[in-house]
Amino acid sequence: GNSVTQMEGPVTLSEEAFLTINCTYTATGYPSLFWYVQYPGEGLQLLLKATKADDKGSNKGFEATYRKETTSFHLEKGSVQVSDSAVYFCALLLSGTYKYIFGTGTRLKVLA
Amino acid sequence: EAGVTQSPTHLIKTRGQQATLRCSPISGHTSVYWYQQALGLGLQFLLWYDEGEERNRGNFPPRFSGRQFPNYSSELNVNALELEDSALYLCASSSLGQSAYNSPLHFGNGTRLTVT
Repeated sequence: GNSVTQMEGPVTLSEEAFLTINCTYTATGYPSLFWYVQYPGEGLQLLLKATKADDKGSNKGFEATYRKETTSFHLEKGSVQVSDSAVYFCALLLSGTYKYIFGTGTRLKVLA
Repeated sequence: EAGVTQSPTHLIKTRGQQATLRCSPISGHTSVYWYQQALGLGLQFLLWYDEGEERNRGNFPPRFSGRQFPNYSSELNVNALELEDSALYLCASSSLGQSAYNSPLHFGNGTRLTVT
């Protein structure tokens, strides 16, 4: 079936460290891929998105590339800040539908 | 533009009671999704409404129900509350008819439901 798998958290990093949060998916067709971020006490906010293979989504220093050959959409940031501490969700939108599937979320904690 | 608004922010109920949660989508959005986020778990899809109709339903018992009004706002009702219904309930809206690239989900800040 269709699914999104994220790496288990929490991920704890020091400020200015490099971040990678892995996300792989299983889906029929050509889904659109998203990363959402949830700050404490808030709902999810769209961080970045990509709709076709080799597309790179980017926002606020975060990047992710749609890799169809490895069915992955890993989130990266070159230098994290304390303010990046949040829960990050990978999600897909099944092509030809309006059905979204979310991963379980990865909590990131950045220490000063 | 005003974002997705949910009310109340917090709701405390006792087991067996009913809870009503409300959501106002972004202006122009016709589609509303409801998700349950229990502690330590990801988002579990509850319901999807579009143009006043229920379009899809997640794997939840019938005591979870809802509706969408002509102004596209939505209500989630949970009857016969159980302790395990305690969770953050998130509402999201989107505008169908546009590509997903242009209209991903926009989330509210949620209603924290506590069942004692």
